[in-house]
Amino acid sequence: GAGVSQTPSNKVTEKGKYVELRCDPISGHTALYWYRQSLGQGPEFLIYFQGTGAADDSGLPNDRFFAVRPEGSVSTLKIQRTERGDSAVYLCASSPVGGGNTEAFFGQGTRLTVV
Amino acid sequence: AQRVTQPEKLLSVFKGAPVELKCNYSYSGSPELFWYVQYSRQRLQLLLRHISRESIKGFTADLNKGETSFHLKKPFAQEEDSAMYYCALLTGGGNKLTFGTGTQLKVEL
Repeated sequence: GAGVSQTPSNKVTEKGKYVELRCDPISGHTALYWYRQSLGQGPEFLIYFQGTGAADDSGLPNDRFFAVRPEGSVSTLKIQRTERGDSAVYLCASSPVGGGNTEAFFGQGTRLTVV
Repeated sequence: AQRVTQPEKLLSVFKGAPVELKCNYSYSGSPELFWYVQYSRQRLQLLLRHISRESIKGFTADLNKGETSFHLKKPFAQEEDSAMYYCALLTGGGNKLTFGTGTQLKVEL
């Protein structure tokens, strides 16, 4: 594809529900990142994958958040028992290799609203 | 702890005027810094990185370790420069970016 693709673009869910957010990285990119951007803030790191494994999940706020990348390509961010404070734009990025100064290419984001 | 500070939420300048978007950082290691830009209704994209020492779209940024700054500059603002600009610091062993809160640049005619 032309770039990082995220679906859905918008998601409205009720408090307490479970949601899944999908990220299709650029083909061949081994590194994949999830960030969260709350209103008026910069993106905040959540998790980094190198291939299939989560190399750094130190940014996940609590155990309601979980992400997978089973085949080293598509990734899914899963949020259980959603809370109103989870409302934000969730951004996915990928890069050819991880670490260093390799450019991260961002998707358009998924805007999650918890009502 | 690492931190990136962008003190201005909004910067408004006239077309043709010089632009300086401020960025200060706090980091115990050797800093690697970036500027990302988000134009209206577009995705976040890399503008420039300090290690490349490049000029992109007329913008430059110099790392000043003494002042812990990485300000973004352009001598003559253009209308198409209007966008949200984020300064970011590479941390976590080079695996994650710590972003500032961003500065909205508005170039007026």
